[in-house]
Amino acid sequence: DVVMTQSPLSLPVTLGQPASISCRSSQSLVHSDGNTYLHWFQQRPGQSPRRLIYRVSNRDSGVPDRFSGSGSGTDFTLTISRVEAEDVGVYYCMQGTHWPLTFGGGTKVEIK
Amino acid sequence: EVQLLESGGDLVQPGGSLRLSCAASGFTFSSHDMSWVRQAPGKGPEWLSTITTTGFGTNYADSVQGRFTISRDNSKNAVYLQMNSLRAEDTALYYCARDRWLGPWGQGTLVTVSS
Repeated sequence: DVVMTQSPLSLPVTLGQPASISCRSSQSLVHSDGNTYLHWFQQRPGQSPRRLIYRVSNRDSGVPDRFSGSGSGTDFTLTISRVEAEDVGVYYCMQGTHWPLTFGGGTKVEIK
Repeated sequence: EVQLLESGGDLVQPGGSLRLSCAASGFTFSSHDMSWVRQAPGKGPEWLSTITTTGFGTNYADSVQGRFTISRDNSKNAVYLQMNSLRAEDTALYYCARDRWLGPWGQGTLVTVSS
């Protein structure tokens, strides 16, 4: 199975400051169709997970443009350009290239 | 607006069975693969299974292979998860999600396996 490793585990941030979360996969996420199926999810306290970014860098509908995704191959990053209070929660990366689909362990974003 | 509504969660004894349902609306159901994902208390999400648009193709996590069965009824815009031989470690909130890319998720239905 593809192992997804996120860092850091916990990310205390100051409101208005940037934040970055790293996600590394144990093997390349480039699919035979040429796409890279790496997605990012946000889970606010008490809510269902919500996809923010699909295929590395594409924002889902309604996702603020302060969220961006980048990376390739085995190394990926989710960046929040200016953290707002509503961004508190746990963020997960997930790979959809190889079966079984696997998630990272999560990064908890909290306000300092 | 895409809506996914799970139901069927309950308290069940170890070794028991349960069938979860997910009612979909707001999109062309028959054009999308559908998935089930669970989240144990205090843990991250775990993908369980995906079914193709026609229902003829399925994939399962090793943890549920042979015990859980995913199915769908395109005439009812619904996807199901039949869960047999339930164990304590199956206790979790169970979500359905659209596609294998896990686009919109439902609110989840709670399954508790305990004697």
